[in-house]
Order: sequence, then C-alpha cells, then structure tokens
Amino acid sequence: DQQVKQNSPSLSVQEGRISILNCDYTNSMFDYFLWYKKYPAEGPTFLISISSIKDKNEDGRFTVFLNKSAKHLSLHIVPSQPGDSAVYFCAATHTGAGSYQLTFGKGTKLSVIP
Amino acid sequence: DAGVTQSPTHLIKTRGQQVTLRCSPKSGHDTVSWYQQALGQGPQFIFQYYEEEERQRGNFPDRFSGHQFPNYSSELNVNALLLGDSALYLCASSHRKGGVEWETQYFGPGTRLLVL
Repeated sequence: DQQVKQNSPSLSVQEGRISILNCDYTNSMFDYFLWYKKYPAEGPTFLISISSIKDKNEDGRFTVFLNKSAKHLSLHIVPSQPGDSAVYFCAATHTGAGSYQLTFGKGTKLSVIP
Repeated sequence: DAGVTQSPTHLIKTRGQQVTLRCSPKSGHDTVSWYQQALGQGPQFIFQYYEEEERQRGNFPDRFSGHQFPNYSSELNVNALLLGDSALYLCASSHRKGGVEWETQYFGPGTRLLVL
C-alpha cells in the first residue's frame, strides 16, 4: 500500500519553461511534506518543505503547493534550467510525537532540454 | 563543513553473509536514520538512532540491526543476506532541537550493496 504516490515516472521540459511535478498521498495523518532532488551517484538533497497549515511555500525558483482536501501537492520550478535535470522525490511525515520517519514516493525523473 | 559520509561506496556479498555499513553524520547533527532504496523505488525507512538508542523502526526484519556511537556515527548491520537485500543504503542525519516542526534529514551518497 503506497501512501505517497508520484504517478509520472518521467517529465521532459524545455529550458526556461515551467516544470510541474505532482504528488498524491493517502495517509490523512501526514502533516509535513518535503521535496528532495537526487542526481546519479549522490544522495537525495533537500529542496523545499511545507507544513499542512500552509498552502504554499516559495524558495527562489521553487514553489510547493499543498491542497489538503485533495491530498495533493505539487512542485513548480520556474524557470527550468538544465541543471535541474534529476530525480525528484516527494516525501511526507507525521510530526506527532514518536514519528521520525519519512515516507517517500517512487520519484519523477525530470529532464530539462536546452 | 563535511556533509554526511558513508562507507564503503560499493559492496558485493553472497547470500547468507553478513554486512556492516558505516555512516558519519553532518557536523553538529546527533541523529542518524537509515533508509533502503531498491531499484526504481523511493527510499524506505529502516530505523533511526538518537542518544545511542533505536528511536523508531520501520517494517524491516530483525536481520537489520544498528548501532550509534558516542560520537554520533552509526553502523547498519544486515545478517543472513538475501538476494532481495540488494539496494542502495542511505544514511541521513539531523539535529534534534526543540520548537521546530520537523528536523530536516540530510542524506549521504549511499552504499550500493549487491548480493549474489
């Protein structure tokens, strides 16, 4: 039973355009969400996060949107750059006492074409 | 400022053998989590160590065990290796501090284990 789903295994976007990566979750206890980026032969790198008390969080070119009623979040990258080509993982957690694990989706491979 | 380091980078073992993987957390971090990433999957939580104790465990059998040392470094041990244990093993470190919603976990490059 996959609690965090990234239904698009891959996405190709032209340089300079917007990249939108989607993520759905099923566990209503999740209240904190993160995006990680992973290059080959490297570990995941933290990008941006959002708490369930917010519906948007921005950091430079990266914006995460959260729709709690739909149990859906998305990562927007504007403008997309070739260096953004990587696998992006959505992760979720429950920040209540006694929970320290992240639950990850399977990832979406983003290719930004120059 | 050194990030999370892991050793070795690659390892080949045969079924039934035992393996030990090592992790040094980012400077200033006191908590270490271990994840298993199978091919084509996202990382799966194995367990987390804080103050030399296992604080939380994911859905992994007892063949997976760990240890945290006083300097906060950690080891992951896997006994009686199965072919299905072939994966990338990721270590993540964080700093336990009060008043924050979530302690961001920072990952190392991983150890790729192949079981033949």
